[in-house]
Amino acid sequence: GENVEQHPSTLSVQEGDSAVIKCTYSDSASNYFPWYKQELGKRPQLIIDIRSNVGEKKDQRIAVTLNKTAKHFSLHITETQPEDSAVYFCAAPLYNFNKFYFGSGTKLNVKP
Amino acid sequence: DVKVTQSSRYLVKRTGEKVFLECVQDMDHENMFWYRQDPGLGLRLIYFSYDVKMKEKGDIPEGYSVSREKKERFSLILESASTNQTSMYLCASRVGIAGDEQYFGPGTRLTVT
Repeated sequence: GENVEQHPSTLSVQEGDSAVIKCTYSDSASNYFPWYKQELGKRPQLIIDIRSNVGEKKDQRIAVTLNKTAKHFSLHITETQPEDSAVYFCAAPLYNFNKFYFGSGTKLNVKP
Repeated sequence: DVKVTQSSRYLVKRTGEKVFLECVQDMDHENMFWYRQDPGLGLRLIYFSYDVKMKEKGDIPEGYSVSREKKERFSLILESASTNQTSMYLCASRVGIAGDEQYFGPGTRLTVT
């Protein structure tokens, strides 16, 4: 929803290139920022998350960066592969820390 | 390994019917959620429950109700299905506060004709 904005809505890259997806959030008290990957016909699954006490976290080819001052966080995928093609969602807990607000999703297409 | 299951993968109902979607998780999670997923709109929260018999409205609760009589089961009810409720419905569960991973079910594709 509008509490978490995600861009771009679609992203097409060549295999081997990098992909970056950005999200902004509105509640400065948010302290946990997950990224989910949803392959076609499958459920969303957590791929990486970051807490507000660090600025960057890496896991092999994926990384997430967080800028708390600007209230935005980004997903970086390096050396993209066709199996990275999916819809990616960011999320942040807002206002009520029992629930997440999700971004509207980014459809990533990695062309072989 | 956390498992979240939903009663149906595909469902076709007629306008005005009462529809029950069930979700079961096997990891003793306190929190359970129902989302609907529509293209370009992401995942929108309908209702969530943080304990047995406890529920809280999400962003789009109109036309829906929920029931949580047992910790492992969370049901979404469409009292009188309408065509604008045609969507993908995803259930999720989480052990604790929002700093924990949320696990999703496989989804139910509901079509209301």
